[in-house]
Amino acid sequence: EAGVAQSPRYKIIEKRQSVAFWCNPISGHATLYWYQQILGQGPKLLIQFQNNGVVDDSQLPKDRFSAERLKGVDSTLKIQPAKLEDSAVYLCASSLVTSGGKETQYFGPGTRLLVL
Amino acid sequence: GQQVMQIPQYQHVQEGEDFTTYCNSSTTLSNIQWYKQRPGGHPVFLIQLVKSGEVKKQKRLTFQFGEAKKNSSLHITATQTTDVGTYFCAGPGAGKLIFGQGTTLQVKP
Repeated sequence: EAGVAQSPRYKIIEKRQSVAFWCNPISGHATLYWYQQILGQGPKLLIQFQNNGVVDDSQLPKDRFSAERLKGVDSTLKIQPAKLEDSAVYLCASSLVTSGGKETQYFGPGTRLLVL
Repeated sequence: GQQVMQIPQYQHVQEGEDFTTYCNSSTTLSNIQWYKQRPGGHPVFLIQLVKSGEVKKQKRLTFQFGEAKKNSSLHITATQTTDVGTYFCAGPGAGKLIFGQGTTLQVKP
């Protein structure tokens, strides 16, 4: 079974530039998450999708971050304009709730963003 | 808001020594999950605990969920260099998974 795919793996941009990340979840996983992981910290949820609808975007800085999952499969996360403090690893995860109610999140390899 | 705290933040051990990381939540949890992130890698799911006082083992790893369902621990017996990485606990809160800041384990061969 293929895992969660993300691209690009690395990105270096200057502040005030724009950047976009792409995620393709595991086939059949209805729930997709974008996390921001700053060095030395745990992942912080930015946005959660259930199919193509937003479940939680309470921690998404909406003045500069946007995300979409138009067809309920792959997703893009955009930052415009980027700030120095956006330097982090952006992780995409997907999950499936089993009939027993268990939910396991599967993470992609992440995109390492450096803003100069 | 809900917080999930882990201690210690870092731990250096000699290969063969034991290691324990502790996780505490500010609220009662319906379940607790543990993830391992290798250096330069991404978090990988290890286990989920659901029941009060539950203990689960995976080879040299022992996971425990507290009676009050507010704390958890991960114990590694006789560490190996392959155990190197950051161990995160995570608990559900307000419809999302709240991660602790992780405990980074270094193992000296």
